[in-house]
Amino acid sequence: SQQGEEDPQALSIQEGENATMNCSYKTSINNLQWYRQNSGRGLVHLILIRSNEREKHSGRLRVTLDTSKKSSSLLITASRAADTASYFCATPDYSGNTPLVFGKGTRLSVIA
Amino acid sequence: SQTIHQWPATLVQPVGSPLSLECTVEGTSNPNLYWYRQAAGRGLQLLFYSVGIGQISSEVPQNLSASRPQDRQFILSSKKLLLSDSGFYLCAWAPDSYGYTFGSGTRLTVV
Repeated sequence: SQQGEEDPQALSIQEGENATMNCSYKTSINNLQWYRQNSGRGLVHLILIRSNEREKHSGRLRVTLDTSKKSSSLLITASRAADTASYFCATPDYSGNTPLVFGKGTRLSVIA
Repeated sequence: SQTIHQWPATLVQPVGSPLSLECTVEGTSNPNLYWYRQAAGRGLQLLFYSVGIGQISSEVPQNLSASRPQDRQFILSSKKLLLSDSGFYLCAWAPDSYGYTFGSGTRLTVV
């Protein structure tokens, strides 16, 4: 089955710095999604990038997708303490109809 | 607007006791519904999903079962809990596979 694998497992940065998280997956996909989870809470959908897209922006978020390398990156610019959370990538299969499979996540700590 | 409700927020249950977690969605019809479990510090494991009333797909054979008695209601059950059933249970809905909306989760501790 599909599985995204985030890297690094944990990341600690100072407020104002940029944070970059990476995701690798195994087989062809229809889209790739990024989610955020605050401690003890449900996941929140951040952004979706389709397989025919290479880059997408949403506010301070920038997502790239390289289907030839089966990888994606999430960049958070000018990080804030409120960005402290775990970030997960998730993929369905190529048809886009299967349930999302999530990676283990990157724990981001933004220090004020 | 669409909302998802999941309860209870926390639950402590003895080994061998039954379990019933409920998830309901408002403001949409015929949603895809999902149950995931998250172990401490880990990723999400898909347990069950449903694309319609009475249609349940199980991803992991285990001590749990799911039912969808109504279009916007998804229930996770167990007849006898095991210690290994402890975890953070998350319900989610989606109109299709694009952009899941998660409930706030249930922290289950089996003692």
